[in-house]
Amino acid sequence: AQSVTQLGSHVSVSEGALVLLRCNYSSSVPPYLFWYVQYPNQGLQLLLKYTTGATLVKGINGFEAEFKKSETSFHLTKPSAHMSDAAEYFCAVSRTGTASKLTFGTGTRLQVTL
Amino acid sequence: DTGVSQDPRHKITKRGQNVTFRCDPISEHNRLYWYRQTLGQGPEFLTYFQNEAQLEKSRLLSDRFSAERPKGSFSTLEIQRTEQGDSAMYLCASSLTSGGRTGELFFGEGSRLTVL
Repeated sequence: AQSVTQLGSHVSVSEGALVLLRCNYSSSVPPYLFWYVQYPNQGLQLLLKYTTGATLVKGINGFEAEFKKSETSFHLTKPSAHMSDAAEYFCAVSRTGTASKLTFGTGTRLQVTL
Repeated sequence: DTGVSQDPRHKITKRGQNVTFRCDPISEHNRLYWYRQTLGQGPEFLTYFQNEAQLEKSRLLSDRFSAERPKGSFSTLEIQRTEQGDSAMYLCASSLTSGGRTGELFFGEGSRLTVL
């Protein structure tokens, strides 16, 4: 079975500060990992994904994540937060790159303050 | 560029009634997924189709739930004899299995169900 754990249901940062959203996974097979973002009243949107190859993955809107097998982690970062980054972020894991069945974490709500 | 559309966006029903949700995926996408999301939780997988074939169903999908994708295009999710515990957001997503964006799920805005 696969699972993800997102540490911190709410994270608040100041505009311009580093964003760090934590995700740890559990998987019996090499995982495929994803970060999705959900803005208010919108559908989930893919930020980035790790399938194979380079462990540092760059996504949209300046976000990136690093796959660390030894730590079973896939934390999401952005060097400088913007007000428009306020949203809910979900980490997800799949057994395959085609994401036939994603298992999501419980989400982290990011608040950005002035 | 039309995305995934879901209808209705909101549904309020009384316990024991049947409800049906419709999902229209992105037209060239061969896979279609249903997820359920409750407050404070991430989306939970319910079922998915490749073309018209239903390839996997979650154990969360009780006998009261049925999903179809009759012609490999739109899909319906029906809940019979609704219970208060069925109150949730029902999400539909679609994806390709080949090409540059393989595996990326495109989600609709969801259908929110409230069972009174």
